[in-house]
Amino acid sequence: DVKVTQSSRYLVKRTGEKVFLECVQDMDHENMFWYRQDPGLGLRLIYFSYDVKMKEKGDIPEGYSVSREKKERFSLILESASTNQTSMYLCASSSLQANQPQHFGDGTRLSIL
Amino acid sequence: GQNIDQPTEMTATEGAIVQINCTYQTSGFNGLFWYQQHAGEAPTFLSYNVLDGLEEKGRFSSFLSRSKGYSYLLLKELQMKDSASYLCAVKGRGSTLGRLYFGRGTQLTVWP
Repeated sequence: DVKVTQSSRYLVKRTGEKVFLECVQDMDHENMFWYRQDPGLGLRLIYFSYDVKMKEKGDIPEGYSVSREKKERFSLILESASTNQTSMYLCASSSLQANQPQHFGDGTRLSIL
Repeated sequence: GQNIDQPTEMTATEGAIVQINCTYQTSGFNGLFWYQQHAGEAPTFLSYNVLDGLEEKGRFSSFLSRSKGYSYLLLKELQMKDSASYLCAVKGRGSTLGRLYFGRGTQLTVWP
């Protein structure tokens, strides 16, 4: 079974802090993704990566950056956290095969005070 | 642009059949996925369609018509545990290979 592990289930930070969310997958997947999920807005893609050190902007990259130094790890960084970044953050990974689904981690519920 | 539409909410009773529709307009198509997401949990994969027709997997079936940009998820013999959000997602082609475009989800409530 594919395992996608997010470092924290719940996280509380203060406005202006630099926040790191970590995600690790154990299936040697090429693709990794960061989403945020808000009520009524569904899943929105922040950034994704299809290879080590490669990254692509999703639909809402502003205020975020990412890092992929190793194939199994994809980090989301909030450069200067703001209250409107309070959300559920979901990491996912997938192989390059078209018919393979994305597998999601359990999510990090982040609150910015 | 990409547009994935599905109803916001649906309700049904235990033992019934429910059909959740999804229409899409995307630049390029490389398959359609359905996910189930219980409250507070991660989405889990249900089905994948890339060719026209019906794919059956136990109580769940998924249908695709590429010419109409239309899919549905059919849930039979509904159980209380089927109460969840159901997400439709389309995979793009070319430079967007690998990413999914998600609808906002359909919240299904199953009543006893």
